[in-house]
Amino acid sequence: NAGVTQTPKFRVLKTGQSMTLLCAQDMNHEYMYWYRQDPGMGLRLIHYSVGEGTTAKGEVPDGYNVSRLKKQNFLLGLESAAPSQTSVYFCASSSHGQGGDEQFFGPGTRLTVL
Amino acid sequence: AQSVTQLDSQVPVFEEAPVELRCNYSSSVSVYLFWYVQYPNQGLQLLLKYLSGSTLVESINGFEAEFNKSQTSFHLRKPSVHISDTAEYFCAVTPTGANNLFFGTGTRLTVIP
Repeated sequence: NAGVTQTPKFRVLKTGQSMTLLCAQDMNHEYMYWYRQDPGMGLRLIHYSVGEGTTAKGEVPDGYNVSRLKKQNFLLGLESAAPSQTSVYFCASSSHGQGGDEQFFGPGTRLTVL
Repeated sequence: AQSVTQLDSQVPVFEEAPVELRCNYSSSVSVYLFWYVQYPNQGLQLLLKYLSGSTLVESINGFEAEFNKSQTSFHLRKPSVHISDTAEYFCAVTPTGANNLFFGTGTRLTVIP
């Protein structure tokens, strides 16, 4: 099993450009999450999904949109990138949303917005 | 609301010495507690977690953490560290029955040969 994979690994954008980050998991997990990791701030939840066709806002959702059209995929979109969105983005998944479940993380996408 | 405090941003320690990484949390409801580890250029991996029962939990690679409800702490310890333990360690909480993880700011452990 590949676990959780993320595409691309690196990306540089100019302010105002758009892009989509793809997360895929092959563990048949119901729940999927997008986090951003910034120096000195740990990880913060952007959006999450509790199942195919559902999405919900996390702590820092502004400037991002998500979609979960297929159970195995969770897409994170930036419609108009800003320098404040320069970060490392991690996708994660878990089998259920009950608090004790382990979240499995992808390797991350390093995004720089100029 | 939940919050997690990891006061030590960096902890250098010599190989084979003991180490303690501190974690304190604040929450108005019951929580589950986690330690995740992030090795260089990788995603996070679960190290150990406390859900209920014995307040002392252990990982397969020699780390342990003790849940202290009165002090709202979940400190991570290892009696003898190895070079391979060099990584960033994140403490996290989630309200029982919920799915959102709230992370601390992380502690970078550097093991010195």
